[in-house]
Amino acid sequence: SQKIEQNSEALNIQEGKTATLTCNYTNYSPAYLQWYRQDPGRGPVFLLLIRENEKEKRKERLKVTFDTTLKQSLFHITASQPADSATYLCALGGMEYGNKLVFGAGTILRVKS
Amino acid sequence: GAGVSQSPRYKVAKRGQDVALRCDPISGHVSLFWYQQALGQGPEFLTYFQNEAQLDKSGLPSDRFFAERPEGSVSTLKIQRTQQEDSAVYLCASSFTGLTGELFFGEGSRLTVL
Repeated sequence: SQKIEQNSEALNIQEGKTATLTCNYTNYSPAYLQWYRQDPGRGPVFLLLIRENEKEKRKERLKVTFDTTLKQSLFHITASQPADSATYLCALGGMEYGNKLVFGAGTILRVKS
Repeated sequence: GAGVSQSPRYKVAKRGQDVALRCDPISGHVSLFWYQQALGQGPEFLTYFQNEAQLDKSGLPSDRFFAERPEGSVSTLKIQRTQQEDSAVYLCASSFTGLTGELFFGEGSRLTVL
Protein backbone atom coordinates (compact mmCIF):
# COMPACT_ATOMS: atom_id res chain seq x y z
CA SER A 1 0.00 0.00 0.00
CA GLN A 2 1.07 3.60 -0.49
CA LYS A 3 2.92 5.24 2.36
CA ILE A 4 3.39 8.96 2.90
CA GLU A 5 6.03 10.23 5.31
CA GLN A 6 6.35 13.72 6.70
CA ASN A 7 8.80 14.89 9.37
CA SER A 8 7.36 13.44 12.55
CA GLU A 9 9.19 15.90 14.75
CA ALA A 10 8.18 19.53 14.94
CA LEU A 11 10.29 22.02 13.02
CA ASN A 12 11.37 25.02 15.08
CA ILE A 13 12.89 27.95 13.23
CA GLN A 14 13.68 31.60 13.79
CA GLU A 15 11.57 34.32 12.24
CA GLY A 16 12.93 35.46 8.89
CA LYS A 17 14.51 32.11 8.03
CA THR A 18 13.30 29.71 5.35
CA ALA A 19 11.31 26.72 6.57
CA THR A 20 11.63 23.52 4.52
CA LEU A 21 9.17 20.68 5.03
CA THR A 22 9.52 17.24 3.46
CA CYS A 23 6.98 14.82 2.07
CA ASN A 24 8.25 11.41 0.96
CA TYR A 25 6.19 8.63 -0.58
CA THR A 26 6.75 5.01 -1.49
CA ASN A 27 5.73 3.03 -4.54
CA TYR A 28 3.78 4.88 -7.18
CA SER A 29 4.14 8.55 -7.98
CA PRO A 30 0.95 10.56 -7.62
CA ALA A 31 -0.59 12.38 -10.54
CA TYR A 32 -0.63 15.47 -8.33
CA LEU A 33 0.35 16.56 -4.87
CA GLN A 34 -1.26 19.19 -2.67
CA TRP A 35 -0.14 21.03 0.45
CA TYR A 36 -2.54 22.19 3.16
CA ARG A 37 -2.18 24.24 6.32
CA GLN A 38 -4.09 23.26 9.46
CA ASP A 39 -4.40 25.37 12.60
CA PRO A 40 -5.45 23.79 15.94
CA GLY A 41 -9.19 23.11 16.04
CA ARG A 42 -9.67 24.15 12.40
CA GLY A 43 -10.05 22.34 9.10
CA PRO A 44 -7.17 22.14 6.61
CA VAL A 45 -6.78 25.04 4.18
CA PHE A 46 -5.46 24.48 0.65
CA LEU A 47 -2.16 26.15 -0.22
CA LEU A 48 -0.66 24.75 -3.43
CA LEU A 49 -1.08 22.00 -5.99
CA ILE A 50 1.70 20.59 -8.17
CA ARG A 51 1.26 18.03 -10.93
CA GLU A 52 3.59 15.15 -11.80
CA ASN A 53 4.90 16.92 -14.90
CA GLU A 54 5.80 20.08 -12.95
CA LYS A 55 9.06 20.55 -11.08
CA GLU A 56 8.23 23.66 -9.09
CA LYS A 57 5.32 25.92 -8.15
CA ARG A 58 5.40 29.27 -6.36
CA LYS A 59 2.84 31.42 -4.64
CA GLU A 60 4.00 34.53 -2.79
CA ARG A 61 6.40 33.27 -0.03
CA LEU A 62 5.58 29.62 -0.73
CA LYS A 63 7.42 27.25 -3.04
CA VAL A 64 6.76 23.57 -3.72
CA THR A 65 9.04 21.19 -5.59
CA PHE A 66 8.22 17.72 -6.85
CA ASP A 67 10.91 15.15 -7.64
CA THR A 68 9.44 11.90 -8.96
CA THR A 69 12.90 10.27 -9.03
CA LEU A 70 13.48 10.88 -5.33
CA LYS A 71 9.74 10.36 -4.63
CA GLN A 72 9.77 13.55 -2.65
CA SER A 73 8.13 16.95 -2.42
CA LEU A 74 9.66 19.87 -0.57
CA PHE A 75 7.59 22.77 0.75
CA HIS A 76 9.41 26.03 1.46
CA ILE A 77 8.24 29.13 3.30
CA THR A 78 10.65 32.01 2.85
CA ALA A 79 10.96 34.93 5.28
CA SER A 80 8.94 32.92 7.81
CA GLN A 81 6.76 34.72 10.36
CA PRO A 82 5.27 33.59 13.69
CA ALA A 83 1.88 33.59 11.92
CA ASP A 84 3.16 30.76 9.72
CA SER A 85 3.18 28.46 12.78
CA ALA A 86 0.77 25.61 12.04
CA THR A 87 0.65 21.98 10.93
CA TYR A 88 1.39 21.45 7.24
CA LEU A 89 -0.13 18.44 5.49
CA CYS A 90 0.86 16.97 2.16
CA ALA A 91 -1.72 15.03 0.21
CA LEU A 92 -1.28 12.81 -2.82
CA GLY A 93 -3.83 11.92 -5.47
CA GLY A 94 -4.25 10.08 -8.72
CA MET A 95 -5.23 6.69 -10.03
CA GLU A 96 -2.71 4.80 -7.88
CA TYR A 97 -4.20 6.47 -4.81
CA GLY A 98 -7.72 5.34 -5.58
CA ASN A 99 -8.52 8.67 -7.21
CA LYS A 100 -8.86 10.36 -3.85
CA LEU A 101 -6.61 12.57 -1.74
CA VAL A 102 -4.46 10.59 0.69
CA PHE A 103 -2.93 12.70 3.45
CA GLY A 104 0.29 12.44 5.38
CA ALA A 105 0.33 12.88 9.15
CA GLY A 106 1.58 16.46 8.87
CA THR A 107 4.53 18.39 10.26
CA ILE A 108 4.21 21.00 13.00
CA LEU A 109 6.06 24.22 12.20
CA ARG A 110 6.88 26.70 14.96
CA VAL A 111 8.34 30.05 14.00
CA LYS A 112 9.83 31.99 16.91
CA SER A 113 10.29 35.74 16.98
CA GLY B 1 -22.77 30.51 3.19
CA ALA B 2 -19.26 31.36 2.14
CA GLY B 3 -17.65 28.15 3.32
CA VAL B 4 -18.33 24.54 4.26
CA SER B 5 -20.45 24.41 7.38
CA GLN B 6 -20.47 21.46 9.79
CA SER B 7 -22.63 20.77 12.81
CA PRO B 8 -22.42 20.07 15.61
CA ARG B 9 -18.88 21.31 16.23
CA TYR B 10 -18.66 19.16 19.35
CA LYS B 11 -20.57 16.02 20.25
CA VAL B 12 -20.23 13.85 23.33
CA ALA B 13 -21.94 10.47 23.10
CA LYS B 14 -22.21 7.53 25.43
CA ARG B 15 -20.97 4.26 24.05
CA GLY B 16 -23.75 2.60 22.11
CA GLN B 17 -25.56 5.81 21.13
CA ASP B 18 -26.21 6.78 17.53
CA VAL B 19 -24.89 10.12 16.24
CA ALA B 20 -25.52 12.17 13.11
CA LEU B 21 -23.09 14.75 11.78
CA ARG B 22 -24.18 17.28 9.20
CA CYS B 23 -22.25 18.95 6.39
CA ASP B 24 -23.44 21.87 4.29
CA PRO B 25 -21.00 22.25 1.36
CA ILE B 26 -20.23 25.32 -0.67
CA SER B 27 -23.08 26.05 -3.06
CA GLY B 28 -22.43 24.63 -6.50
CA HIS B 29 -19.78 22.15 -5.40
CA VAL B 30 -20.69 18.78 -6.85
CA SER B 31 -18.11 16.74 -4.94
CA LEU B 32 -18.29 16.08 -1.22
CA PHE B 33 -15.88 14.11 0.93
CA TRP B 34 -15.86 12.87 4.52
CA TYR B 35 -12.58 12.36 6.34
CA GLN B 36 -11.79 11.15 9.85
CA GLN B 37 -8.88 12.72 11.73
CA ALA B 38 -7.44 11.20 14.90
CA LEU B 39 -5.32 13.33 17.23
CA GLY B 40 -1.87 13.97 15.75
CA GLN B 41 -2.71 12.25 12.49
CA GLY B 42 -3.66 13.37 9.02
CA PRO B 43 -7.21 13.11 7.70
CA GLU B 44 -8.21 9.58 6.63
CA PHE B 45 -10.65 9.21 3.74
CA LEU B 46 -14.06 7.81 4.55
CA THR B 47 -16.36 8.37 1.59
CA TYR B 48 -17.00 10.49 -1.53
CA PHE B 49 -20.12 11.78 -3.25
CA GLN B 50 -20.58 13.28 -6.66
CA ASN B 51 -23.90 15.06 -6.45
CA GLU B 52 -26.22 12.53 -4.75
CA ALA B 53 -24.28 9.47 -5.87
CA GLN B 54 -21.95 7.86 -3.36
CA LEU B 55 -19.11 6.81 -5.65
CA ASP B 56 -16.61 5.56 -3.09
CA LYS B 57 -17.24 4.35 0.43
CA SER B 58 -14.12 2.23 0.75
CA GLY B 59 -12.86 4.16 3.78
CA LEU B 60 -15.86 3.61 6.04
CA PRO B 61 -14.42 1.54 8.92
CA SER B 62 -17.45 -0.63 9.55
CA ASP B 63 -21.10 -1.08 8.66
CA ARG B 64 -21.92 1.13 11.65
CA PHE B 65 -20.93 4.08 9.49
CA PHE B 66 -23.38 5.36 6.93
CA ALA B 67 -23.37 8.52 4.81
CA GLU B 68 -25.97 10.07 2.56
CA ARG B 69 -26.47 13.11 0.38
CA PRO B 70 -30.01 12.63 -0.90
CA GLU B 71 -30.44 15.88 -2.85
CA GLY B 72 -26.85 16.42 -3.87
CA SER B 73 -26.27 19.19 -1.37
CA VAL B 74 -26.31 18.65 2.41
CA SER B 75 -24.74 15.42 3.60
CA THR B 76 -25.11 13.48 6.83
CA LEU B 77 -22.64 11.03 8.31
CA LYS B 78 -24.33 8.65 10.73
CA ILE B 79 -22.54 6.43 13.19
CA GLN B 80 -24.60 3.75 14.87
CA ARG B 81 -23.81 2.15 18.23
CA THR B 82 -20.78 4.38 18.79
CA GLN B 83 -17.60 2.88 20.21
CA GLN B 84 -14.71 4.63 21.97
CA GLU B 85 -12.49 4.14 18.93
CA ASP B 86 -14.90 6.30 16.93
CA SER B 87 -13.70 9.34 18.90
CA ALA B 88 -12.11 11.67 16.35
CA VAL B 89 -12.69 14.83 14.36
CA TYR B 90 -14.90 14.25 11.34
CA LEU B 91 -14.07 16.61 8.50
CA CYS B 92 -16.26 17.37 5.53
CA ALA B 93 -14.81 18.87 2.35
CA SER B 94 -16.30 19.96 -0.93
CA SER B 95 -14.83 20.58 -4.34
CA PHE B 96 -16.09 22.19 -7.52
CA THR B 97 -13.89 20.22 -9.87
CA GLY B 98 -14.18 16.76 -8.42
CA LEU B 99 -11.41 14.39 -7.47
CA THR B 100 -8.36 16.37 -8.61
CA GLY B 101 -9.23 19.84 -7.40
CA GLU B 102 -8.46 21.57 -4.17
CA LEU B 103 -10.66 20.64 -1.25
CA PHE B 104 -12.48 23.20 0.86
CA PHE B 105 -12.78 21.83 4.38
CA GLY B 106 -15.23 22.64 7.13
CA GLU B 107 -14.10 23.17 10.71
CA GLY B 108 -14.95 19.61 11.61
CA SER B 109 -17.15 17.88 14.15
CA ARG B 110 -15.26 16.60 17.18
CA LEU B 111 -16.86 13.40 18.48
CA THR B 112 -16.01 12.08 21.91
CA VAL B 113 -17.43 8.70 22.88
CA LEU B 114 -17.39 7.96 26.61
